[in-house]
Amino acid sequence: EVQLVESGGVVVQPGGSLRLSCAASGFTFDDYTMHWVRQAPGKGLEWVSLISWDGGSTYYADSVKGRFTISRDNSKNSLYLQMNSLRTEDTALYYCAKDLKSSSWIFDYWGQGTLVTVSS
Amino acid sequence: QSALTQPASVSGSPGQSITISCTGTSSDVGGYNYVSWYQQHPGKAPKLMIYDVSNRPSGVSNRFSGSKSGNTASLTISGLQAEDEADYYCSSYTSSSSSVFGGGTKLTVL
Repeated sequence: EVQLVESGGVVVQPGGSLRLSCAASGFTFDDYTMHWVRQAPGKGLEWVSLISWDGGSTYYADSVKGRFTISRDNSKNSLYLQMNSLRTEDTALYYCAKDLKSSSWIFDYWGQGTLVTVSS
Repeated sequence: QSALTQPASVSGSPGQSITISCTGTSSDVGGYNYVSWYQQHPGKAPKLMIYDVSNRPSGVSNRFSGSKSGNTASLTISGLQAEDEADYYCSSYTSSSSSVFGGGTKLTVL
């Protein structure tokens, strides 16, 4: 059974930094592209970032480009999101999502999310 | 990248069919057959319902179907059931090598 478990969400001040983690199990992690998707409270979904199976390709939404960095450690079956220069508008539930195929941009499994609150 | 346009809400009675539209541009929905649909119940993670415009993942009911015409994709749910009440989001790959979601549609089963 595919499982994705996010962690690291906390309350942080504007301008602060945070690293989110996602522990994956139940599938061959290094065969798949992975994504981060976020959802602000009471709002819709917003794609944040993609990383290819080997970490060689990464993509970001314009809203986070230059501030967030996605990475992965295939030896630990883990996905990460380093978040710097945080803004109040980054407040959201952050989901880790598995890609259906190789960078198909289809999110076939999702974690339960970790809540990031940016507030002074 | 602007969000895809979905109706804020739709409703239907049990047994009826409903359709949710998702309108984009030639740079996303109209340019690629990479449209997906997700169902999200309150407090839960999204669930993939349709991918590549009209394909259903294993385990998803055949009451769910997808289509596309030009810059508009559609999700149709036939034989509405109470359990279908949820928020639905479309998404598409874009020419900017990114993904964009619709604003979401709240489905109410009357």
